Amino acid sequence: DQQVKQNSPSLSVQEGRISILNCDYTYSMFDYFLWYKKYPAEGPTFLISISSIKDKNEDGRFTVFLNKSAKHLSLHIVPSQPGDSAVYFCAASAMNRDDKIIFGKGTRLHILP
Amino acid sequence: NAGVTQTPKFRILKIGQSMTLQCTQDMNHNYMYWYRQDPGMGLKLIYYSVGAGITDKGEVPNGYNVSRSTTEDFPLRLELAAPSQTSVYFCASRTGTSVRQTQYFGPGTRLLVL
Repeated sequence: DQQVKQNSPSLSVQEGRISILNCDYTYSMFDYFLWYKKYPAEGPTFLISISSIKDKNEDGRFTVFLNKSAKHLSLHIVPSQPGDSAVYFCAASAMNRDDKIIFGKGTRLHILP
Repeated sequence: NAGVTQTPKFRILKIGQSMTLQCTQDMNHNYMYWYRQDPGMGLKLIYYSVGAGITDKGEVPNGYNVSRSTTEDFPLRLELAAPSQTSVYFCASRTGTSVRQTQYFGPGTRLLVL
C-alpha cells in the first residue's frame, strides 16, 4: 500500500513564527521524499527533498526532517512569510520505482499578518 | 525559456464531447507527464512518456489517450468526456527518469464537464 498522507488540510500561522507541515507514509520502500509548493492558478514547484540516508535537509528558511522508524516527515519554515501562503504537497518515491512519485493531498498554509 | 506551457487554461465540455489538452516544453526534456488533481486530492499520474514515440500508462489512464511525436509536445486527448473527468490537469517534464531530477510543472488546465 503506497500511500502518502497529509492529515491536516489547512494550517494557519502568524507571520514570523514557525510553520510545521507534517506528512506520513505507509510504504517502507519509499526512500526519497519531496515537498512541492503550489500557488493558485499555477503548477506545483519543487521546494526541497530528502533522501532516506539523511534525517535532515536544510535550504535557507526551509528544513525537512525525516523519521524513518515512524514513517514521518515534516517541513519546517522559519520564519514564516506572507509569500509562504500556498498549498504544500508531500511526495515520495520508492527505490525500485525511482521514476514514479506518489503525492499526498496537500496542506494549505495561511500566513497571518 | 518558457518552461512548460499548457493550453487552454480553462474549458467547459459537454458530456460526450472530445478535446485535446496541449502541453509543450522548451527545455529539451525527454520525460513528460500528465497528472490530474481532483479537489482536495493529490496529483494522480495519467500517462507519461520517456521520449518521442514512447508512452505508457500511469495510475488513472482510463478515458484518456496520449501521443508523443516530438520531444517538445505531449498532448492529452479526451475522447468522450464524462463528469468524472472534471479536474485540473497538469503537464510536467524533467531531464531524466529519476525523481531526484527536478520536475517542472505547467500552470494547469481546468476542465469542467457538464
